Amino acid sequence: AQTVTQSQPEMSVQEAETVTLSCTYDTSESNYYLFWYKQPPSRQMILVIRQEAYKQQNATENRFSVNFQKAAKSFSLKISDSQLGDTAMYFCAHGDSGAGSYQLTFGKGTKLSVIP
Amino acid sequence: NAGVTQTPKFRILKIGQSMTLQCTQDMNHNYMYWYRQDPGMGLKLIYYSVGAGITDKGEVPNGYNVSRSTTEDFPLRLELAAPSQTSVYFCASGGWDRGRRAYEQYFGPGTRLTVT
Repeated sequence: AQTVTQSQPEMSVQEAETVTLSCTYDTSESNYYLFWYKQPPSRQMILVIRQEAYKQQNATENRFSVNFQKAAKSFSLKISDSQLGDTAMYFCAHGDSGAGSYQLTFGKGTKLSVIP
Repeated sequence: NAGVTQTPKFRILKIGQSMTLQCTQDMNHNYMYWYRQDPGMGLKLIYYSVGAGITDKGEVPNGYNVSRSTTEDFPLRLELAAPSQTSVYFCASGGWDRGRRAYEQYFGPGTRLTVT
């Protein structure tokens, strides 16, 4: 079974600074997807960024980028120029494409607070 | 596109009552999922479907049932509600983005259920 570990329950960052959230995962599959989701107080799960395991290039979406280390099974999220609206829970998730269901396994989340 | 919609947003049930959580997606996705999120935790998969007429159990299926008669709808049925089913329930749908570049999974706004 896949497991996803987020070792930082809470983090804080000053507005306009950069912060990195950590995520490690365990899988026996060679083909899979990794995701970061943001959950603000509204509870909505918002897709931030995704990474396909077969791609060596790290994904980037505006101020959000990942550092994907396949051999180390590590998938960290970097948020640049942090904004107050980035305050939220962030969940790392692994999606297994091998079984054909693409079901996601989530970590327990990291609570990020952006301080003015 | 409305994306993934869920009803109701909130519900209080008495122990032993039953109810159905509704989920509809308008993205023509084949894959649909039900997750639950307990306080301070990530999401756990209850049931999923890879297409109309096909459903399968996830990590925590006990006490729930699903059906998938159409591509758009994926209702979750709670029979004989118990306090342990107090949680926030998320429906999600998944498919391939334009050009089949990668798989994406999108979530509904969630249903907060309390069983007392």
